[in-house]
Amino acid sequence: GAVVSQHPSRVICKSGTSVKIECRSLDFQATTMFWYRQFPKQSLMLMATSNEGSKATYEQGVEKDKFLINHASLTLSTLTVTSAHPEDSSFYICSARDSSGGAFREQFFGPGTRLTVL
Amino acid sequence: AQSVTQLGSHVSVSEGALVLLRCNYSSSVPPYLFWYVQYPNQGLQLLLKYTSAATLVKGINGFEAEFKKSETSFHLTKPSAHMSDAAEYFCAVSDLRGNKLVFGAGTILRVKS
Repeated sequence: GAVVSQHPSRVICKSGTSVKIECRSLDFQATTMFWYRQFPKQSLMLMATSNEGSKATYEQGVEKDKFLINHASLTLSTLTVTSAHPEDSSFYICSARDSSGGAFREQFFGPGTRLTVL
Repeated sequence: AQSVTQLGSHVSVSEGALVLLRCNYSSSVPPYLFWYVQYPNQGLQLLLKYTSAATLVKGINGFEAEFKKSETSFHLTKPSAHMSDAAEYFCAVSDLRGNKLVFGAGTILRVKS
């Protein structure tokens, strides 16, 4: 159980185009999903927290107009990188948190999406 | 605020030797602590977690970690390294609700034959 998928696993795009990345919880409902970015040889940095049916909460320094997050259902969140530039090239990882359970709810991670902007 | 420091960006051990990866944390609230493993170009897999129950936590693949509040540490150990353990390991801390995981910089474990 607790499987999270991401699509696509890899994407290459031209500078100036937009790219959408999907994050799905396959066998549980996720009220909250998180989006992380990982640059080469660095740790994961939280970009934003996505709550189903409401606006995402962005971390300091993350441009909300550039990284559009939509969490329209309890099993799907999308991250759209708008007007992508080479510096946006990174490994994007999502996680999802089960809606059920007690006060503590574990995050389950997707396999990641490698974005390369040419 | 919470933070994690992993001592040693690279650790190299021989196959069959003890694995010790160090993690110290800082937290203004009682922490929950985690160790994750990441293989190249893959997401994170949870090895083990401390959620205020037993201070010695056993995880998958023979790994374990001990929460020491007095030392603000949560070091990861494995008695005997296997080649398949070669990967990057991340220590992370969250608050009691599991919000906002904060990761350490990671430690790359190399296992020599």
